[in-house]
Amino acid sequence: QVHLQESGPGLVMPSETLSLTCAVSGYSISSGYYWAWIRQPPGKGLEWIGSLHHSGTTYCIASLKNRVTISVDTSKNQFSLKVSSVTAADTAVYYCAREDNYFDYWGQGALVTVSS
Amino acid sequence: QLVLTQSPSASASLGASVKLTCTLSSGHSSYAIAWYQQQPEKGPRYLMKVNSDGSHNKGDGIPDRFSGSNSGAERYLTISSLQSEDEADYYCQTWGTDIQVFGGGTKLTVL
Repeated sequence: QVHLQESGPGLVMPSETLSLTCAVSGYSISSGYYWAWIRQPPGKGLEWIGSLHHSGTTYCIASLKNRVTISVDTSKNQFSLKVSSVTAADTAVYYCAREDNYFDYWGQGALVTVSS
Repeated sequence: QLVLTQSPSASASLGASVKLTCTLSSGHSSYAIAWYQQQPEKGPRYLMKVNSDGSHNKGDGIPDRFSGSNSGAERYLTISSLQSEDEADYYCQTWGTDIQVFGGGTKLTVL
């Protein structure tokens, strides 16, 4: 069974960089698929942020393209998200997921609050 | 522009059936979509992929009460024999070249 687990700071100061890691177990990232980050602001819907292939190819939503970095560490079987210059609008539950066009396995989510 | 439209809310009685709708934007009626369930205070759960021919591929452990279908640009999720635990938010999602799109979600209330 594929399992994903997000980790990272729950509180980030405005203008700083949000960093999250997704540890994958039960499947090797190097074996295939894309791996994605999705977020959900409090009380709102789901927003796809971006996706990464184990080869390093990435693509992300246009509105965040200048602030988002997604990377992979195949030796640790994990992938990461960085969002720079955060504001209160980046406060959300952040999910990682396996992507096969659709998202078949999800992490439990990590709440990140942007506040001073 | 690739857009998915869902009604904000729906309701049905315990034991009844409900059909949720997800509409693809103009020019995208051949796209497949996926359905997700998000119970209160939980993360999303993949339910199924619905193809443009109406065929669907369910996720692991999804009960037979959940089924998918389509008509033109509309994709449907039908839940039969509604149970209290089916009260949740339901999202549809589709994909294009270098883009992933979610619908706004439908909040289902089981009466």
